[in-house]
Amino acid sequence: DAGITQSPRYKITETGRQVTLMCHQTWSHSYMFWYRQDLGHGLRLIYYSAAADITDKGEVPDGYVVSRSKTENFPLTLESATRSQTSVYFCASSVTAYNEQFFGPGTRLTVL
Amino acid sequence: AQTVTQSQPEMSVQEAETVTLSCTYDTSESDYYLFWYKQPPSRQMILVIRQEAYKQQNATENRFSVNFQKAAKSFSLKISDSQLGDAAMYFCASYSGAGSYQLTFGKGTKLSVIP
Repeated sequence: DAGITQSPRYKITETGRQVTLMCHQTWSHSYMFWYRQDLGHGLRLIYYSAAADITDKGEVPDGYVVSRSKTENFPLTLESATRSQTSVYFCASSVTAYNEQFFGPGTRLTVL
Repeated sequence: AQTVTQSQPEMSVQEAETVTLSCTYDTSESDYYLFWYKQPPSRQMILVIRQEAYKQQNATENRFSVNFQKAAKSFSLKISDSQLGDAAMYFCASYSGAGSYQLTFGKGTKLSVIP
């Protein structure tokens, strides 16, 4: 089906483990984004990508790594998970940076 | 850096009535874009309305309209004829480009609709 998907939808992990959250879009949008949503903070940008092989930091990048070897995929990796990274993570894509961003369904990550 | 402020953490409205959600923003750019997103309990983020700063006319989408006051840096959302399905978190967001590509969100307003 066309759209933007995230996997897994729910993940529980332990402190220190590596975790990768997947994001896939079928529109061939140039721009992709990763946000985290926490109570009292709204959505905060972690990383974004303007095209394949082009990524840049957002507001809260520490502890996260991204890559974008293909236009349709934008995985987010927590190299050594910490409890403060417990959050809901949203992936989004858009045709241009100032157009509507289409969001995935989110991944709820719990770090014990 | 941009900032977006939503001063009403929670609001409620009677079904079929009108409600206005407030948003102020701060940017030094002259060209920027403003958005309202809705997040129902399903957690899915949905675009409600979009406004280009260079357009003086307020954007409208069916029962949703904005009051864009550029000088005051205010961007409020009006929901007319409120429906039960309008109950959700509403986020105001701004984008100003300038090489940042960052959409800056407010902290959200939780809207309840009373039958």
